[in-house]
Amino acid sequence: DTEVTQTPKHLVMGMTNKKSLKCEQHMGHRAMYWYKQKAKKPPELMFVYSYEKLSINESVPSRFSPECPNSSLLNLHLHALQPEDSALYLCASSQPSRGNYEQYFGPGTRLTVT
Amino acid sequence: AQSVTQLDSHVSVSEGTPVLLRCNYSSSYSPSLFWYVQHPNKGLQLLLKYTSAATLVKGINGFEAEFKKSETSFHLTKPSAHMSDAAEYFCVVSGDYGGSQGNLIFGKGTKLSVKP
Repeated sequence: DTEVTQTPKHLVMGMTNKKSLKCEQHMGHRAMYWYKQKAKKPPELMFVYSYEKLSINESVPSRFSPECPNSSLLNLHLHALQPEDSALYLCASSQPSRGNYEQYFGPGTRLTVT
Repeated sequence: AQSVTQLDSHVSVSEGTPVLLRCNYSSSYSPSLFWYVQHPNKGLQLLLKYTSAATLVKGINGFEAEFKKSETSFHLTKPSAHMSDAAEYFCVVSGDYGGSQGNLIFGKGTKLSVKP
């Protein structure tokens, strides 16, 4: 099973709302990632969790708050977002071992901030 | 530092003709290289990967890529395009934060169009 699942598929939220994106994998991977992808652009790395600990934060605004409750789950909590945060949010996972860098991506959550 | 350059932002081919998507990379060490495909409004799917084994790498859906160190290239090819191949393709090189997990460095993407 090489599947990463993400919910919801689509999300529309106002600038004062609080919402969460969810990601799940059952491949036994111990590294999980959040990416942001704007239209016609490659994905941009936001956060990396390795063994359930936040290891990389790419200077993401505090209105995005990641959480890794266990080795299979990754959440992204959203609060007070701006319209420019509208994008496709991708989750990915991988085995955190040297020489084994391929990441498996979920289908993404299409977020629209109004 | 690692970087990757996709030489064409858009490639258009006719169904049944060969596909060539070009990628050059820069890396200070022996890199891992990948091609990912993204269909409209979908996530990224791994097509193939090179990790210092065979230089000719075969992937899914009839795609293959050849690692050429002397040319720092990793071009993606397919002998015969199918309509379902129309998508965005990303060439990716592994970065290194010094830890055991690698970050990925993406090219800007090549949009492949397939004409009937």
